[in-house]
Amino acid sequence: GESVGLHLPTLSVQEGDNSIINCAYSNSASDYFIWYKQESGKGPQFIIDIRSNMDKRQGQRVTVLLNKTVKHLSLQIAATQPGDSAVYFCAENAGTASKLTFGTGTRLQVTL
Amino acid sequence: KAGVTQTPRYLIKTRGQQVTLSCSPISGHRSVSWYQQTPGQGLQFLFEYFSETQRNKGNFPGRFSGRQFSNSRSEMNVSTLELGDSALYLCASSLSGNGNTIYFGEGSWLTVV
Repeated sequence: GESVGLHLPTLSVQEGDNSIINCAYSNSASDYFIWYKQESGKGPQFIIDIRSNMDKRQGQRVTVLLNKTVKHLSLQIAATQPGDSAVYFCAENAGTASKLTFGTGTRLQVTL
Repeated sequence: KAGVTQTPRYLIKTRGQQVTLSCSPISGHRSVSWYQQTPGQGLQFLFEYFSETQRNKGNFPGRFSGRQFSNSRSEMNVSTLELGDSALYLCASSLSGNGNTIYFGEGSWLTVV
């Protein structure tokens, strides 16, 4: 499949290191936030979500931090693996329906 | 449990033609939304359907339309295709929207020549 978003910001990390991907969101009314991972030729894959009444949520090897004061979201990946190489998108939702507003994406490259 | 299924996966159309893309949501999901993904514009919301009604619409021209059937399956149609419509079209489903987790299909790659 083709690759979308060829000119994205890129984060290069060594295998085994921790990765931090940042995202600034725009709508102060947004109350639900999701991180997606997109591999080449595939659709976005749900990683983790967080609601605005929380500031931290942990999953398996991933943690999402939410700072509503500065409208900032981050995704931390522990012990990054080659399989984590992909484009990562944050998305925000302002309450109703399923309309997501996506960030521009960050390409994560894991080096051996 | 099967994920969101989109057909066709790849297609090539000529300018001026129309195209219909199909989406089967995850079983039990009643909200289906569509997104367009391009290198220049990123992921952009097209529209969302819930219980056969369009509930939300993005900023796309009227050439882009959709519908949802009683079994929650959805189709989107693009008429009078333009070169700029070449993109990955993604379908997503959730239980009801409203903050439920939204899951995406693998997309339909449309190339307009």
